[in-house]
Amino acid sequence: AQRVTQPEKLLSVFKGAPVELKCNYSYSGSPELFWYVQYSRQRLQLLLRHISRESIKGFTADLNKGETSFHLKKPFAQEEDSAMYYCALRPPYNTDKLIFGTGTRLQVFP
Amino acid sequence: KAGVTQTPRYLIKTRGQQVTLSCSPISGHRSVSWYQQTPGQGLQFLFEYFSETQRNKGNFPGRFSGRQFSNSRSEMNVSTLELGDSALYLCASSPGRGQGEQYFGPGTRLTVT
Repeated sequence: AQRVTQPEKLLSVFKGAPVELKCNYSYSGSPELFWYVQYSRQRLQLLLRHISRESIKGFTADLNKGETSFHLKKPFAQEEDSAMYYCALRPPYNTDKLIFGTGTRLQVFP
Repeated sequence: KAGVTQTPRYLIKTRGQQVTLSCSPISGHRSVSWYQQTPGQGLQFLFEYFSETQRNKGNFPGRFSGRQFSNSRSEMNVSTLELGDSALYLCASSPGRGQGEQYFGPGTRLTVT
């Protein structure tokens, strides 16, 4: 079965604390993994994709094929990071279809 | 470049009616996908269109249909509306299937009463 699991609905931290948003996936093959973010009253937008291996807004995510995980991390959270974060999987064949996790709301308190 | 636009932004319909939602992709983008977002089920894939052809369909009943025009604009239609169809419907566009980043529209909020 193709599935993306985000076990935490809500993650609350204080400014400056480290953040890790968990994502596990189930897919028989080599999918592409993404993190999308939705800030309040804004559109869903791409944050990271595993193939680019870059850091955006201080966030990084490493694909662990052995554990089928793609956790999102940031060493020092900022208040402006407060948003809804979705992990998503795209099958490796020629498609734009995304399978999303249920999302984690990150709240960063001052 | 203008972003993905969706019309209308808000819609209220009665059970049993039908509805058509529209999506205009970013200029030059040829792939359009649709998603349903609800508090209970989250974001679920509806369809994917490329070159006026449906390439993929999610696990939704036949009441949900769509199409894509030669200018890449896309519409989705829901017939015989049910209360459970109340949701935010998002579309996303990309240059091509599996190519480049997908950009999402603001969504159409459908309420079925």
